Amino acid sequence: QVQLVQSGAELKKPGASVTVSCKASGYTFTNYGFCWVRQAPGQGLEWMGWISAYNGDTNYARKFQGRISMYTDTSTNTAYMDLGSLNFEDTALYYCSRTARGQGSGYALDSWGQGTLVTVSS
Amino acid sequence: SYELTQPPSLSVSPGQTASITCSGDKLGNRFVCWYQQRSGQSPVLIIYQDSKRPSGIAERFSGSNSGNTATLTISGTQTLDEADYYCQTWDSSSNSWVFGGGTELTVL
Repeated sequence: QVQLVQSGAELKKPGASVTVSCKASGYTFTNYGFCWVRQAPGQGLEWMGWISAYNGDTNYARKFQGRISMYTDTSTNTAYMDLGSLNFEDTALYYCSRTARGQGSGYALDSWGQGTLVTVSS
Repeated sequence: SYELTQPPSLSVSPGQTASITCSGDKLGNRFVCWYQQRSGQSPVLIIYQDSKRPSGIAERFSGSNSGNTATLTISGTQTLDEADYYCQTWDSSSNSWVFGGGTELTVL
């Protein structure tokens, strides 16, 4: 079955960067893409960006452009999300989710990782 | 940017039908997905392409989408359906996935 296993919780200082990983199993990695979604404490879901594991194409939400990077390692079936210039408002649970290797209407997020808590604190 | 609006909360009694709405401009022209997030858990896809159920999702979950409103309907609501529900669509003008604010469903 499809499994997405994310890296452990992180504690970062303001201005630092964080890398969250998402190891996939149970399917052909390069046939799909990933969305990264975050959820601040007590808040809703916020889309951060998408990457195709097929060709590495990316699409970042405007809000994060300039300080976010997504990439994949097809040798280990792992997706990564880097977020830099962290501030207190970046404290959230970060999820990876599987989606189509392309973008467009009708493409759902059909499997989710367990979430990685990133806490930004001085 | 495109916005999806959901009621913040809804309360139903066990066995009743729960209808959760999601509103957006000409939403009926776009595909909508629905996710269930139980407390402390990751979201789970329960409806995609407006009305399709992934394998393993109970038949009591159904979806529709027309005009400016998509609706998630839970028939014969059970206590285990108590969760937050999020609608989601794709905005081609900004090339982005868009989530509604979520609806907290209480079953009591």
